[in-house]
Amino acid sequence: GAVVSQHPSRVICKSGTSVKIECRSLDFQATTMFWYRQFPKQSLMLMATSNEGSKATYEQGVEKDKFLINHASLTLSTLTVTSAHPEDSSFYICSARERLGEQYFGPGTRLTVT
Amino acid sequence: AQSVTQPDIHITVSEGASLELRCNYSYGATPYLFWYVQSPGQGLQLLLKYFSGDTLVQGIKGFEAEFKRSQSSFNLRKPSVHWSDAAEYFCAVGAQGQGAQKLVFGQGTRLTINP
Repeated sequence: GAVVSQHPSRVICKSGTSVKIECRSLDFQATTMFWYRQFPKQSLMLMATSNEGSKATYEQGVEKDKFLINHASLTLSTLTVTSAHPEDSSFYICSARERLGEQYFGPGTRLTVT
Repeated sequence: AQSVTQPDIHITVSEGASLELRCNYSYGATPYLFWYVQSPGQGLQLLLKYFSGDTLVQGIKGFEAEFKRSQSSFNLRKPSVHWSDAAEYFCAVGAQGQGAQKLVFGQGTRLTINP
C-alpha cells in the first residue's frame, strides 16, 4: 500500500518556540492531506484539511494562527505549531489521499512542550 | 453531524478466542464506515470499509464487519485472535458527498491478548 511518512517522530521544544512537522506521501501524489490531533487514550480529532495549492480548511475550534498548515506540493504538507505551550503537547497525525482514494496515515509525531 | 461510539474502551481476550468490537454511529444518510487498527509506532492501517452493497464486509488479517442499518452498528469480528492483533482499534464514519474524506473517529478500543 501507499506510504506516508512524518518527520520528526518525536520532538521536545520549549514553551514559546515554534515547531514544524512534515508529512510526506512517498509513492503517490496527495491532492488532499489531513492533520489530526490525538490526546492520550482518546480518539483522533480532525484539525484541518488541506488541498495542494490552496489554503487549509480548519475545523471549528482550531486556531489557524497557531497551527499553520502549508501544502505546497503534491507530496508534502507541513504543520507548524507557533508559540507552542504545554497544552499543545499531543500526538499529531497526518493522512494523505490521492483524489478520491483511500486515506493513508502517517506514523504520527509526539510533541512535548516544556 | 456524524458521530461514532465505541462502547468498550478496553477488551481482553485469550489467544485463539473469538472477538467482537462494537461500533455505533449516528448519521442522517447511509454512511461510509471504516475500521482502522493502530499499533505503536505505526500509522493507522485500514482493516476494512463499507460503502454500499453486501452488508458483511471482509477485510485484511481475517477481520470482518457487518453493517446493520436498523441498529446503526458496524461491529468488527474475528473468529480467532492472534497475539499480534493486540492494538488499538478505531471505528470511523465518513460523510457522503465529500468523497468520504472527512472522517469522524470513535474513541477507540484497546485490545489485549492473553497467551
